[in-house]
Amino acid sequence: AQKVTQAQTEISVVEKEDVTLDCVYETRDTTYYLFWYKQPPSGELVFLIRRNSFDEQNEISGRYSWNFQKSTSSFNFTITASQVVDSAVYFCALSEARQGGKLIFGQGTELSVKP
Amino acid sequence: DAMVIQNPRYQVTQFGKPVTLSCSQTLNHNVMYWYQQKSSQAPKLLFHYYDKDFNNEADTPDNFQSRRPNTSFCFLDIRSPGLGDAAMYLCATSRDLDRVITDTQYFGPGTRLTVL
Repeated sequence: AQKVTQAQTEISVVEKEDVTLDCVYETRDTTYYLFWYKQPPSGELVFLIRRNSFDEQNEISGRYSWNFQKSTSSFNFTITASQVVDSAVYFCALSEARQGGKLIFGQGTELSVKP
Repeated sequence: DAMVIQNPRYQVTQFGKPVTLSCSQTLNHNVMYWYQQKSSQAPKLLFHYYDKDFNNEADTPDNFQSRRPNTSFCFLDIRSPGLGDAAMYLCATSRDLDRVITDTQYFGPGTRLTVL
């Protein structure tokens, strides 16, 4: 069965620290997609990244970077030089091709960045 | 610029009084989803429309219904809200070319429902 685990419920850092949010997934499908979403206090889920199972290249976008490792079924998210505006709940999600787009979310990691 | 719009942002209703939440999109996406998110929990899929085809999740209560009159609009009807239905309701859209390929889901700002 498909499952996404975000073991860190809450993380608190001081501004400018680097922080990594962990995501481990389970799937039996060979074709699947992984996502990260950010949910600030306003409530909207903001799309950050989508990765398919055939693309293990790491990605960097500004202060954000993602490390996808199929060998450990992990898709971790690192924020470099964190800022107060990064404070939010971050969700990792899995979608299997044969499930027609249904997102399986992890439980979320609440990141608090203090000045 | 808003691509997925939800109205209202906040809705207060009384126990047992029917309520309708609205979602519209300017992306021309063929798939629309409704999620329920309770406090400190992950979003939970209620149902989705693939074009005009309605797909209900097995554990979605009968109290929840949906309508999609056209590509742009989708409604969530709660026939008899209970206290346990107080939550954030999120609408999302995606462009799926067939039922296998998965595209990104884009979410609206949500409607926070309070049941008195």
